[in-house]
Amino acid sequence: GAVVSQHPSWVICKSGTSVKIECRSLDFQATTMFWYRQFPKQSLMLMATSNEGSKATYEQGVEKDKFLINHASLTLSTLTVTSAHPEDSSFYICSAGLAAGSHEQFFGPGTRLTVL
Amino acid sequence: AQRVTQPEKLLSVFKGAPVELKCNYSYSGSPELFWYVQYSRQRLQLLLRHISRESIKGFTADLNKGETSFHLKKPFAQEEDSAMYYCALSNAGNMLTFGGGTRLMVKP
Repeated sequence: GAVVSQHPSWVICKSGTSVKIECRSLDFQATTMFWYRQFPKQSLMLMATSNEGSKATYEQGVEKDKFLINHASLTLSTLTVTSAHPEDSSFYICSAGLAAGSHEQFFGPGTRLTVL
Repeated sequence: AQRVTQPEKLLSVFKGAPVELKCNYSYSGSPELFWYVQYSRQRLQLLLRHISRESIKGFTADLNKGETSFHLKKPFAQEEDSAMYYCALSNAGNMLTFGGGTRLMVKP
């Protein structure tokens, strides 16, 4: 089956530092990946759509300069939280679709970010 | 704008009882609807989608366009069904919009 991995699974950083989170499709190519944010006991909120070889599309209210997304290959998308602050602490989840037009998404296990 | 609403944050039933997790949506186009499940300490995974009209783990969901609903049902709940359930809608751009989620607790 289609597997999506994320690295790291948990990261703790100091306020003001930048953190990079990787999302990989292990056994399939994903032209589109999605990044979500999930606060405790809340649902997933789409942050941005990551397209291979082009700029990401950000949802309203998500700062593109704060959350840098790079989708350099068909199996890797990265999310960099720049100048992280405690309010950025959250669970970040990525997903990938199998093919264009396919509405099914496969989710990574998530990355817990704690900013001190 | 598309929206998915799950009115119940928590649903608690006894083992063997029927269960129905409610989902209502608003979308101007032709929706594709899904139910995702997240078991404790596991990643989100697809449970079922409306276009396949299948039954997974005894769960079914019927799209009712008149009522804009996609309720998830199971006639006899099992303890292993305890999890977070998310209803989601996919638009033409393959973007998923999730409902707030319902935690199902099945008591022995």
